[in-house]
Amino acid sequence: AQSVTQLDSQVPVFEEAPVELRCNYSSSVSVYLFWYVQYPNQGLQLLLKYLSGSTLVKGINGFEAEFNKSQTSFHLRKPSVHISDTAEYFCAVIRSNFGNEKLTFGTGTRLTIIP
Amino acid sequence: GAGVSQSPSNKVTEKGKDVELRCDPISGHTALYWYRQSLGQGLEFLIYFQGNSAPDKSGLPSDRFSAERTGGSVSTLTIQRTQQEDSAVYLCASSSWTSGRANTQYFGPGTRLTVL
Repeated sequence: AQSVTQLDSQVPVFEEAPVELRCNYSSSVSVYLFWYVQYPNQGLQLLLKYLSGSTLVKGINGFEAEFNKSQTSFHLRKPSVHISDTAEYFCAVIRSNFGNEKLTFGTGTRLTIIP
Repeated sequence: GAGVSQSPSNKVTEKGKDVELRCDPISGHTALYWYRQSLGQGLEFLIYFQGNSAPDKSGLPSDRFSAERTGGSVSTLTIQRTQQEDSAVYLCASSSWTSGRANTQYFGPGTRLTVL
């Protein structure tokens, strides 16, 4: 089975400062990795994904993430945050070669931007 | 194009009543998923439909929960004899299908269910 750990449940950051949201996963097989963002009272929106190839993945709204197989991590970063980035961020995995199946999510990190 | 839509957006019901939640997937997506998001449990998988295959019901928490997908498109999640612990946001997602590969799941806005 797969599991995802997001150690930081809440991260407060000053506006225009950099941010890193941490995600570690556990799986006995190869996986695809995703970051989803959930704005207040909205559904989940795909931020970025790693399927294969370059380990540095760029997503929407200036976010990027780096897949590190040896450390089983997929941390999300942004060099300069904006008030509009206030949201909850979820890391998720799915087995890569088993066809469509369920996503396994982390518990989420609530990012709060301080003006 | 149109994304995944869900209705109603909010549903308030009394304990013991049955409720039906609807999901319209992205046109052409053959895979459809239901998840539940609650404060205590985070995001949990409920059920998955893929084409004409038997659904994966492994995440349904009890036999009060059921779902169907008609004509390979619209899906309805039914909760019978609702309990207060069923209060949550129910999220639907859909994806395309590629043999042997997982595809990106796109989520709807969710239905917030409150059981009084």
